[in-house]
Formats: sequence, structure tokens, C-alpha cells
Amino acid sequence: GESVGLHLPTLSVQEGDNSIINCAYSNSASDYFIWYKQESGKGPQFIIDIRSNMDKRQGQRVTVLLNKTVKHLSLQIAATQPGDSAVYFCAENRGADGLTFGKGTHLIIQP
Amino acid sequence: DSGVTQTPKHLITATGQRVTLRCSPRSGDLSVYWYQQSLDQGLQFLIQYYNGEERAKGNILERFSAQQFPDLHSELNLSSLELGDSALYFCASSAPGYNTGELFFGEGSRLTVL
Repeated sequence: GESVGLHLPTLSVQEGDNSIINCAYSNSASDYFIWYKQESGKGPQFIIDIRSNMDKRQGQRVTVLLNKTVKHLSLQIAATQPGDSAVYFCAENRGADGLTFGKGTHLIIQP
Repeated sequence: DSGVTQTPKHLITATGQRVTLRCSPRSGDLSVYWYQQSLDQGLQFLIQYYNGEERAKGNILERFSAQQFPDLHSELNLSSLELGDSALYFCASSAPGYNTGELFFGEGSRLTVL
């Protein structure tokens, strides 16, 4: 079935570098995507969202890019810090069907 | 702190038993969502309630049921438990009146079925 997924289960980056976490989706009718961060022992926390009428959206140290042509979105984290260590999920909002989450990418920060 | 409260935080029980997980949404939020998180399946949407009424249903087993009470707290009932039901169960709530993907998650209830 159609689903939202992530390319890599684990991503390791040096502290201070930029991180890029990728997500592919297969439902071409999807029009709203969200990134969540889940720290160890906690529930997921909303980071940023983007609608399909946009290609890019920026937040504080984070940027989400959406490429509808190849059905791909990414989360960029600038100047990665130890506190960014977490599992990152992309999710697709299917309205009345709730959020559909990908399996997550574990971001590991190397000192 | 998201403002969503879940109890209990941890629960250990045996196969065949029944448990109830409880969730209090953020003050003012009318929607409550339940998700199951396991290592191999990620976060799976189970069910959503809005102001006491079932709004959407996901991959919820027939052995599971939920309800939302007039005070807006919700309970998820899991019965005839199997080993495979061991997982983290999250409750989330969202603000009323706006189509957003911003859910506020509790810290989860970890269920272990032995």
C-alpha cells in the first residue's frame, strides 16, 4: 500500500555540521507533510510542516524542502547540536484518516 | 511538557489479560488520537475521537477499543492480550477548529505482555 517512508534508519553527523534527513512518499495526492522529533523516552514533538503548494519552509535552524516531482521531502538541520540527537519522523496528514508516519531516522551526533 | 498526560507509564501483564490505558488531553483540545509504536512497525495510528465521538479509525484490532468521555479524557482498552501487543502506546491531542498536523503527544504507556 501507499505509505510514507524514510531512506535511512540511522544518520551520523559531526556536531556543528548540517544534517539532512530524507523522506519519500508514494501517495501523489498527499498535500500536507509534517516532521516530528522523538527524543529517547518521550513522545514525538512537532518540528515543522509544509503544504504541497510550497517548495520550502524555514523555521529556527530547520528547513523542510518538498519536491513533488519525485515525491520527496527533506529536513535540514543547521549547525547540528547534541540536543538534536533523536529519531526524526516524516508524516503525512490524510485528514480524517489521521497522520501516517514513516519509520524514522535516528540522528546521532558525533562530538 | 506537552500538556498531555498518560497513565500508567509502565505496565507489565500476562497474555490473555485486559488492560486500560488512560489519557488526558491538553486543556481545550477536543481531539484525542491513539498511536501504537513498536520497533518493527513504527508509529501506527489506531483511532481518533473528537468531542466524544469516534472520528477516524486506523489499524486498530477488534480486541482493542477506545472511548472519549464527557470530560474529554480517553481510555484505550486492550483485551485478550498477546505477546505482539507489547509496545508503546501514545495518546495525542490537537487544537480544535484548524486542519493541522500538529499533534501534542504524551510520554506514552509502555506495555509489556509476558
